[in-house]
Amino acid sequence: QSVLTQPPSASGTPGQRVTISCSGSSSNIGVNTVNWYQHLPGTAPKLLIYSNNQRPSGVPDRFSGSKSGTSASLAISGLQSEDEADYYCAAWDDSLSGNVFGTGTKVTVL
Amino acid sequence: EVQLVQSGAEVEKPGESLKISCKASGYSFTDFWIGWVRQMPGKGLEWMGIIYPADSDTRYSPSSRGQVTISADKSISTAYLQWSSLKASDTAMYYCVRMYSSGHRHDYWGQGTQVTVSS
Repeated sequence: QSVLTQPPSASGTPGQRVTISCSGSSSNIGVNTVNWYQHLPGTAPKLLIYSNNQRPSGVPDRFSGSKSGTSASLAISGLQSEDEADYYCAAWDDSLSGNVFGTGTKVTVL
Repeated sequence: EVQLVQSGAEVEKPGESLKISCKASGYSFTDFWIGWVRQMPGKGLEWMGIIYPADSDTRYSPSSRGQVTISADKSISTAYLQWSSLKASDTAMYYCVRMYSSGHRHDYWGQGTQVTVSS
């Protein structure tokens, strides 16, 4: 069972901006950094954003992350067809002594 | 180049035992935590647990503790996920992941191992 809550879906037309929220608690997002993963169909998930707002090498700057209190957000600006995927937030949970993933958000490009 | 290469797909019957593997290369195996993430059919990602190969310190999620065993052989840079008695509900894709300690991010993922448990 996920302890981080995300909306099940989000959508937009090419070029639009889409945001995905991730709600946690004082034992995870409230005290630890947030990472985001992109899961394209038929492939292994990929680290998209780490430490709340850092992009690994090779990730386009269309992707950005932020955190405030016990919530975090992922924004995709200039939406492209290849962005159609499932997106997951994750954070370390001090109470569980382990990572927890969000419920996942399916992004559809209309 | 960091690589995590997992063993191939498995089809097993309920009650059987199974051990899948993840061979790491391109970095010092004992310097990073390595673990497993599950995705059941039609469901999201679920963190199962991690092990620190240098001293075998292991952490499990509440739902995985007692259900699986995570181990590592540092002599061959390989991590394992093991079941003693499979259930149909263990049917899933299992991903091996490296965890970077700072921020607990999973920066590298294996290609996934499909485990199917069916009578």
